[in-house]
Amino acid sequence: AQKVTQAQTEISVVEKEDVTLDCVYETRDTTYYLFWYKQPPSGELVFLIRRNSFDEQNEISGRYSWNFQKSTSSFNFTITASQVVDSAVYFCALSETYNNDMRFGAGTRLTVKP
Amino acid sequence: DSGVTQTPKHLITATGQRVTLRCSPRSGDLSVYWYQQSLDQGLQFLIQYYNGEERAKGNILERFSAQQFPDLHSELNLSSLELGDSALYFCASSVDLRRGAGNEQFFGPGTRLTVL
Repeated sequence: AQKVTQAQTEISVVEKEDVTLDCVYETRDTTYYLFWYKQPPSGELVFLIRRNSFDEQNEISGRYSWNFQKSTSSFNFTITASQVVDSAVYFCALSETYNNDMRFGAGTRLTVKP
Repeated sequence: DSGVTQTPKHLITATGQRVTLRCSPRSGDLSVYWYQQSLDQGLQFLIQYYNGEERAKGNILERFSAQQFPDLHSELNLSSLELGDSALYFCASSVDLRRGAGNEQFFGPGTRLTVL
């Protein structure tokens, strides 16, 4: 069965610091999909990125970057030069090929202080 | 704004009661998913409907049921409510043109249910 572990429950940084959120997953499928979602204080879940298991290229989008390493079953998320607006709970999620059950990690609460 | 709408935003009810949560997916999305977010259980997948039919089931209690109508909106029915059912209930939708394609899901704003 699939499983997602976000070991960091809470992280607090000062504005402009870089921060990395860890995500480790378990699956028996060879084809699977990984996601990151952001949940700001307002409560909605905002989609950030989707990555399939055959694409190990790292991705950068502005201040956000993602590092996917199949060898360590990790899909880590880095925010460069953090801002107060980045304060939110971030969820990593896994979806297997024939299983539409998207399994979420417990989330990491990021607080960025001015 | 994800394009997924959920009503009501807040719901307060008593134990033993029954409530219905409603979701309208993004235009063109055929799949609707329901999730429950609580402090102790985190975000849990409940059930998925695709074009009117149940496609996948997660940790959904027998007291809960859902359906998707011909216009693709969905309803989640929660009955014999208990204090522990208090949670944020999310609906999400995706295109799902091909089964198992891992389409990203777009979430609605959620319905906060409080059972007193």
